[in-house]
Amino acid sequence: DAKTTQPPSMDCAEGRAANLPCNHSTISGNEYVYWYRQIHSQGPQYIIHGLKNNETNEMASLIITEDRKSSTLILPHATLRDTAVYYCIVRVGSGNTGKLIFGQGTTLQVKP
Amino acid sequence: DAGVIQSPRHEVTEMGQEVTLRCKPISGHNSLFWYRQTMMRGLELLIYFNNNVPIDDSGMPEDRFSAKMPNASFSTLKIQPSEPRDSAVYFCASSLGAGTGELFFGEGSRLTVL
Repeated sequence: DAKTTQPPSMDCAEGRAANLPCNHSTISGNEYVYWYRQIHSQGPQYIIHGLKNNETNEMASLIITEDRKSSTLILPHATLRDTAVYYCIVRVGSGNTGKLIFGQGTTLQVKP
Repeated sequence: DAGVIQSPRHEVTEMGQEVTLRCKPISGHNSLFWYRQTMMRGLELLIYFNNNVPIDDSGMPEDRFSAKMPNASFSTLKIQPSEPRDSAVYFCASSLGAGTGELFFGEGSRLTVL
């Protein structure tokens, strides 16, 4: 049921930017893109979401292409604590019937 | 401010026994979600509630699973009878409304059915 495609794994050097791609070519006009991460054995943690404009918060930046068919999550200065599985999710449905369906995600390994 | 609280954190039981997992959402949140995570299937949405009413239970695997939300501050997920294939980590999450996708997850309940 997942509507997104992500690489299964990526490496990043500590202190460098981590750029995590996601394809969502079948996204509908009113569907948002969400990013979560899950650090080993913990519950998933919300990072950021967007509709069509780029978004930034204290954790990350989200860049969505103009056609909305893909996006990139950017962790500007990755640390070892950013090692986790990162999930890109297109929210299925809208309003009170919307729900988040998690795919397999990208395992990001930040290396010293 | 307390987050989503789940209990028990770990449960080991024998096949055929009843299992009850509990969840206390964040105060003021009116949507609650139950997810299950296994290595094989990843994170699966089982059921979610909005204002204590079940909205979508299409992810509940079979009749052995049931979930209730008797009030805004408490939910249970029950498995009766339990089977080894139910072994998983069960996460509860809450949000300010079903209209937002910003979910706050608990630390999970790790269930092992022998």
